Amino acid sequence: EVQLVESGGGLVQPGDSLRLSCVASGFTFSSSPMNWVRQAPGKGLEWISYLSSSSSTEKYAESVEGRFTISRDNARNSLYLQMNSLRVEDTALYYCARRAKIAALDHWGQGTLVTVTS
Amino acid sequence: AIQMTQSPSSLSASVGDRVTITCRASQGIRSDLGWYQQKPGKAPNLLIYAASTLQSGVPSRFSGSGSGTEFTLTISSLQPEDFATYYCQQDYSYPVTFGQGTKVEIK
Repeated sequence: EVQLVESGGGLVQPGDSLRLSCVASGFTFSSSPMNWVRQAPGKGLEWISYLSSSSSTEKYAESVEGRFTISRDNARNSLYLQMNSLRVEDTALYYCARRAKIAALDHWGQGTLVTVTS
Repeated sequence: AIQMTQSPSSLSASVGDRVTITCRASQGIRSDLGWYQQKPGKAPNLLIYAASTLQSGVPSRFSGSGSGTEFTLTISSLQPEDFATYYCQQDYSYPVTFGQGTKVEIK
């Protein structure tokens, strides 16, 4: 069974940093491109970052470019999101998701909540 | 960035109704489009990818069509478990973008 389990969320102040983790199981993680997608409370889905299977290609949404860094450790079946200079508008539920094919995020974690408030 | 615009933003329908949701891209995206269903408190669930390919395990009452800039998701006969919010998503080019969502409610 494919599983993605996020962790690392919490309550922080503007300007703080957090590192989210996503541990994968049930599939060949090292062959799978991965994404982070977030959802602010009561709002829609916002894609924020992509990382290829070999870490050779990374992409970011403009809203997080320069502040967030995506990475992975294929030996540990883990995906990460380092979030620096957090803002109130970064408050959201953060999901990791596997990209199986074009426009196909076929497995998602349950999400980890990040709350940025002063 | 490519903008994805869904219509309607919400709709009310009855069990057994045929429901169609439209997604328009601000520029051509070939068939690089997916559809997702999200229920309250749950992660999104992939329904359709490559515009018209049904994801494994998804009921056949769901179908997708379109290419270029205009796409549709159709539910042929709405079931009680289909009341949810639906999103389209393109990854023809980065940044990946989602539509704003269509909430399907019980009439």
